[in-house]
Amino acid sequence: GNSVTQMEGPVTLSEEAFLTINCTYTATGYPSLFWYVQYPGEGLQLLLKATKADDKGSNKGFEATYRKETTSFHLEKGSVQVSDSAVYFCALSALIYNQGGKLIFGQGTELSVKP
Amino acid sequence: DTAVSQTPKYLVTQMGNDKSIKCEQNLGHDTMYWYKQDSKKFLKIMFSYNNKELIINETVPNRFSPKSPDKAHLNLHINSLELGDSAVYFCASSQGQGPITDTQYFGPGTRLTVL
Repeated sequence: GNSVTQMEGPVTLSEEAFLTINCTYTATGYPSLFWYVQYPGEGLQLLLKATKADDKGSNKGFEATYRKETTSFHLEKGSVQVSDSAVYFCALSALIYNQGGKLIFGQGTELSVKP
Repeated sequence: DTAVSQTPKYLVTQMGNDKSIKCEQNLGHDTMYWYKQDSKKFLKIMFSYNNKELIINETVPNRFSPKSPDKAHLNLHINSLELGDSAVYFCASSQGQGPITDTQYFGPGTRLTVL
């Protein structure tokens, strides 16, 4: 079946530190991969996405590369800010026969950035 | 100009009651979704509708009944509420039914607490 596994949180970093949040997936076929972010008390927002192998998604200084050989989509940022504190969700979109696309989420990784 | 809105934001009720959560999107999207986020932040899809037609129904108890009066609205009615229904419920919408590159836009969530 289709599934997503993320590194467990919480992750606590100092401002300007380098961030990596690991994400690996299991999927049949060729899914698209996403990172969503949930700020405290809010809904999810799309952070970035990649639709095929070797694609790199990027937004707001965050990057992730779709690695088919390692079935991974790790999220990175060179220098985090306090405002990046949030829960980050890795997800894949699986195309299900007769159901269209369906987002399958990882368990979320909470990031806390201290000044 | 909220793109996806939900009401109410908070809902506290007793076991056995029936309650509804409303969702509206003003993006002109064709597809709408309901997700449940449990206390550990795990997100799982419950339903999706495309142009008022049910597309995805994920083994959700039949106490949960989605209703789509038009393609801009997808309401969630829950009968005979149980303690385990306590969660945050998110509505989302996307342009298409399931092209795997479609971005889903999420509402702010409804925190349901069953006492």
